[in-house]
Amino acid sequence: NAGVTQTPKFRVLKTGQSMTLLCAQDMNHEYMYWYRQDPGMGLRLIHYSVGEGTTAKGEVPDGYNVSRLKKQNFLLGLESAAPSQTSVYFCASSYSGGSGRFFGPGTRLTVL
Amino acid sequence: RKEVEQDPGPFNVPEGATVAFNCTYSNSASQSFFWYRQDCRKEPKLLMSVYSSGNEDGRFTAQLNRASQYISLLIRDSKLSDSATYLCVVNQAGTALIFGKGTTLSVSS
Repeated sequence: NAGVTQTPKFRVLKTGQSMTLLCAQDMNHEYMYWYRQDPGMGLRLIHYSVGEGTTAKGEVPDGYNVSRLKKQNFLLGLESAAPSQTSVYFCASSYSGGSGRFFGPGTRLTVL
Repeated sequence: RKEVEQDPGPFNVPEGATVAFNCTYSNSASQSFFWYRQDCRKEPKLLMSVYSSGNEDGRFTAQLNRASQYISLLIRDSKLSDSATYLCVVNQAGTALIFGKGTTLSVSS
């Protein structure tokens, strides 16, 4: 039982490049989330999904897109990376909307 | 008033000490409360949920005061391995969990 996994662990992009972060969970959770964590800002919700085929915007969705084609996977895309998107990205899943989140190990992204 | 507020610390305590963290929240309709632990450069990990009647897990005790809108975490007999950042988390509404910015604890020998 791997829990929540994320790939890649580290990535460096140049401004304007695109990339996709992959999140997978094996806990059969309906809810999945993407957060970013910046120094002094705490965790902020980017997008979330309440089930396969659904997505919704969180607190800071601009510049990101997501897809949930399979229940176990949640993808986060950056179409045109900007230095302001330099951050640590955490994927999480949960049984329900009000229950605790289980986090993946994170992806450290630097945009030059 | 910020949605979830925590004293950032750091709290510097010796091994064996008892330390308590408080967290206040602004939405009186909040229903779910949690404490998470985050080690440096690691993901947040669920430490414990916080129930209305209070709950204990080994050396850790969590309390909820709905009237004053705060939750607390008490750590007894602190260990070096307790050094981490502790995040207070509150359910806002529906699917929204609001994370506090965390309180840093450093336990020294």
